[in-house]
Amino acid sequence: DAMVIQNPRYQVTQFGKPVTLSCSQTLNHNVMYWYQQKSSQAPKLLFHYYDKDFNNEADTPDNFQSRRPNTSFCFLDIRSPGLGDAAMYLCATSRDGGTGANEQFFGPGTRLTVL
Amino acid sequence: GQNIDQPTEMTATEGAIVQINCTYQTSGFNGLFWYQQHAGEAPTFLSYNVLDGLEEKGRFSSFLSRSKGYSYLLLKELQMKDSASYLCATMDSNYQLIWGAGTKLIIKP
Repeated sequence: DAMVIQNPRYQVTQFGKPVTLSCSQTLNHNVMYWYQQKSSQAPKLLFHYYDKDFNNEADTPDNFQSRRPNTSFCFLDIRSPGLGDAAMYLCATSRDGGTGANEQFFGPGTRLTVL
Repeated sequence: GQNIDQPTEMTATEGAIVQINCTYQTSGFNGLFWYQQHAGEAPTFLSYNVLDGLEEKGRFSSFLSRSKGYSYLLLKELQMKDSASYLCATMDSNYQLIWGAGTKLIIKP
């Protein structure tokens, strides 16, 4: 089945220790998104890629970086995680971000704990 | 500014009907989405409305009034598995999703 896969599902890191979260998709979608979602809050868009075109949200901290080496994979790097970065990180894809009918398909998420 | 408002929490009884409202103010409008999110899981797509009116899909229906900046999600014949958060999101003029914080729906037997 075509899907969005995130690894790991649960990640524990120490304060200040770099961590990388990964996302892959078999949908062959052009657009990939990274969201941060804290408990009982709306998902917050961190970045999105339209193909290889990288788009950074204005309020995304520099501590967060992203890479998309090919259509299928996208990575979220947190260079120096703080306690406030503990959250669920959601990867999503859409076929084409430029039209309204494009729903986003989400991966299962990675729950990050910072000790 | 851009704003999505929906109730924080609602409670309903198994077998009943519940309506979850969403009001929005966004810069530009390219449609409104409803997603379902079970605790600890990713959101899953329920519906998309871009024209005024009611879209029915099985037990779930979604309504949109663009002039009023208003939508609702109607859930019929509620089942225990419908206990989840329901997220309203609009697509703005840049085709970015603006998300509400979600409505936590609690179903009681």
